[in-house]
Order: sequence, then structure tokens, then C-alpha cells
Amino acid sequence: RKEVEQDPGPFNVPEGATVAFNCTYSNSASQSFFWYRQDCRKEPKLLMSVYSSGNEDGRFTAQLNRASQYISLLIRDSKLSDSATYLCVVGHNDMRFGAGTRLTVKP
Amino acid sequence: EAGVAQSPRYKIIEKRQSVAFWCNPISGHATLYWYQQILGQGPKLLIQFQNNGVVDDSQLPKDRFSAERLKGVDSTLKIQPAKLEDSAVYLCASSSLAGDLETQYFGPGTRLLVL
Repeated sequence: RKEVEQDPGPFNVPEGATVAFNCTYSNSASQSFFWYRQDCRKEPKLLMSVYSSGNEDGRFTAQLNRASQYISLLIRDSKLSDSATYLCVVGHNDMRFGAGTRLTVKP
Repeated sequence: EAGVAQSPRYKIIEKRQSVAFWCNPISGHATLYWYQQILGQGPKLLIQFQNNGVVDDSQLPKDRFSAERLKGVDSTLKIQPAKLEDSAVYLCASSSLAGDLETQYFGPGTRLLVL
């Protein structure tokens, strides 16, 4: 079983749609959780951290379920500029990346 | 503030050749990471330095990969000899604090193609 698993997609959605990504992790001792965004041929950039109580940043909402060992990312009112690969990252002593979920938002 | 610098940006070599990549982290960042990202996969940590010491190199293929950070600032990653499966993007990242996973800043990467 992979340490961090994501649905690779691709997710193709129209502008304005709501889309959700899930990610599962295997190490129950993991302490830190993040979503990174990676544009094509670019480096990963931190989108948001994921806190136990759930957190929101504008159109983005992240949630953590420790019991089931998964995290989620919800994007509301999708924009064309949201098109990217979203990487789930789980930290214990170092960061373990998922393979990413590719999102394409179309006009 | 200048970001993480990497060079070269692209490299094409033949298998069994050697190659070296260079990284200059953000000024003042004590922790430096090298990641390998194969097409279609997420980045995989190869080695982590804290100043000039190695913190974690458990996923570094030590028979062909080596890395150093002699003065605790910039770092080089070497592959000798290269194999076809080494074709990937090599990302360098830095953070100000050891274990501060949240504030890792990535460089643009070096794209390696082994023929």
C-alpha cells in the first residue's frame, strides 16, 4: 500500500463548479498535513495546511479525518486559474507526497 | 527575497554518464532538501541536510547518488553513473527550521533526461 494515495483524475469541470479531492495515508503517526499545488512544469507551492478542526481559505476548504486517515480538499466556484495538479502531503519526520490529482477547469 | 536557485534547468545525458546539479537555498535557511519527481508521480525525498549535516538519506540510492553541503549553504547532488530510470525533475527545497514542514520553499527544478 502506498503511503499517500490520491485519485489521479483527471477531473474536468466547468467554471463555477464545486470539486472535491480525497487523499488517504497509511502512517497513523502522521502529524502534519498539507495540500500543495503544482502547475505544469513548475515547482510545487503550498496551497494550505490542513488542521484537525478543518480550515478554510477563500474558496478552498480542507478537512482532516484522523480516524479514517484521510484528508480532503474542496474547491468552490472553480476558476480557470485553478487548473493544476493538487498534491496531498503528509508529514511525520519528513514530507510524503501523493502522486497528485489533476484538475482542469473549462470555460 | 530571492528564492531557491537551481542549475542547470535542463540536462540531457547518455546512460552511464555522470551529472551534477547545484542548489542555492534561500539565504539563512538551515535546512535543505533534494527531491526526485518522476513524471506522473509526487516528489520523493532523496536527502535532507541540516546545515552541513545529513538528517535523512534513507531514500537516496547510495550506489550511484551522492550529495554534499560542505559549507552549510549551497549543495550539489551527483549521479554517477546515470541510468535510464533516473530521468526525472530534481527539486531542491529549503526551510528555515528543521522539522518545519510547512514552510518548505521549492526551487524551479532541474529536468534530467537520460538517453
